Amino acid sequence: AQSVTQLGSHVSVSEGALVLLRCNYSSSVPPYLFWYVQYPNQGLQLLLKYTSAATLVKGINGFEAEFKKSETSFHLTKPSAHMSDAAEYFCAVFNQAGTALIFGKGTTLSVSS
Amino acid sequence: GAVVSQHPSWVICKSGTSVKIECRSLDFQATTMFWYRQFPKQSLMLMATSNEGSKATYEQGVEKDKFLINHASLTLSTLTVTSAHPEDSSFYICSASKSGAYEQYFGPGTRLTVT
Repeated sequence: AQSVTQLGSHVSVSEGALVLLRCNYSSSVPPYLFWYVQYPNQGLQLLLKYTSAATLVKGINGFEAEFKKSETSFHLTKPSAHMSDAAEYFCAVFNQAGTALIFGKGTTLSVSS
Repeated sequence: GAVVSQHPSWVICKSGTSVKIECRSLDFQATTMFWYRQFPKQSLMLMATSNEGSKATYEQGVEKDKFLINHASLTLSTLTVTSAHPEDSSFYICSASKSGAYEQYFGPGTRLTVT
């Protein structure tokens, strides 16, 4: 069965520091993987997606993620954090049927000045 | 493009009453719509998947008689929480996808508080 595990429920960084949010997946088929961001009391916004093309995926707001099959990982990174990046981040994978998303538990990113 | 709206954004209702939440795709036809529930500080849990004109497919453990989902048109799906109780208080989020496409577009969510 497909699943994702987000390591670290809370990550704190200083403004300007590297952001690294970890996601490992389990999938019995080639996965489609997604990162979403959620601001308080709002829906989800797609940051980026991996759909078996390039392993390094660039998304919006300066975020990128690298698909590593050998490590079953899809970690999200950003070279320099901004205060506006503070939010909840979710990693997700399609279920085996490809009909629904399975979300990780989420990682709260805090950015301090 | 691919904008999804929800109405209302916030609703308070009394225990025992029913409340309807609308999910609309504003600029595309949504052949499939999804309803998620999110408790505070937790992840999204899929409640049901609905295809236009068909009965919704509910996830295990979701009461279909309590959470009525209707997807009567290609731009509108509704979730009705019947006989709401305080434990139904949650953040409900819908998403929609286009025909033949996998990407889901999410609505802004509806905060339901049952008193």
